[in-house]
Amino acid sequence: SQTIHQWPATLVQPVGSPLSLECTVEGTSNPNLYWYRQAAGRGLQLLFYSVGIGQISSEVPQNLSASRPQDRQFILSSKKLLLSDSGFYLCAWSVSSYNEQFFGPGTRLTVL
Amino acid sequence: ILNVEQSPQSLHVQEGDSTNFTCSFPSSNFYALHWYRWETAKSPEALFVMTLNGDEKKKGRISATLNTKEGYSYLYIKGSQPEDSATYLCAFVNDYKLSFGAGTTVTVRA
Repeated sequence: SQTIHQWPATLVQPVGSPLSLECTVEGTSNPNLYWYRQAAGRGLQLLFYSVGIGQISSEVPQNLSASRPQDRQFILSSKKLLLSDSGFYLCAWSVSSYNEQFFGPGTRLTVL
Repeated sequence: ILNVEQSPQSLHVQEGDSTNFTCSFPSSNFYALHWYRWETAKSPEALFVMTLNGDEKKKGRISATLNTKEGYSYLYIKGSQPEDSATYLCAFVNDYKLSFGAGTTVTVRA
């Protein structure tokens, strides 16, 4: 069966510090991968998606970036965090864009 | 950014009562609509993937209908139970990605 892992579960970082969140998927090959953020009181916002290794599409211009160094690994990064980067970050995978998405446990990021 | 709207934003329902709420989406270039349930302290889980106009899908006491021509979907909960308390998200499939609504938060009172 397929599983999706995210870490860390919670993170408190000072403004201006770097960020690296990791997501890995097991039990499937060549999945579509997604990064979402839920800011306080708001819905899920798609940040990045990837349909293959090295292929990243950005949805919202910001100080975040994503990379997919391996088929089942998706990394969300920032060189300098802003206060507005605080939120709940979810990674998800799907077989295709039409199929249901499976979400990881999420990372709660607080930028102080 | 596609406009996917859900209403109401929140609702309270008495245990045993039935309820329903709406998702509206662009009626052009339709590919699929997803419904997810997001319980507190958990991750969103898929309920339904709907692709055809007139689709009606059911999972236990929860069902959903789809009207792609007018751009709306209803989600129904029959005989609400406390475990149905959650935020229900709809998402419109466009290209390779989903555009989510803000969700309807359902609270079932015992």
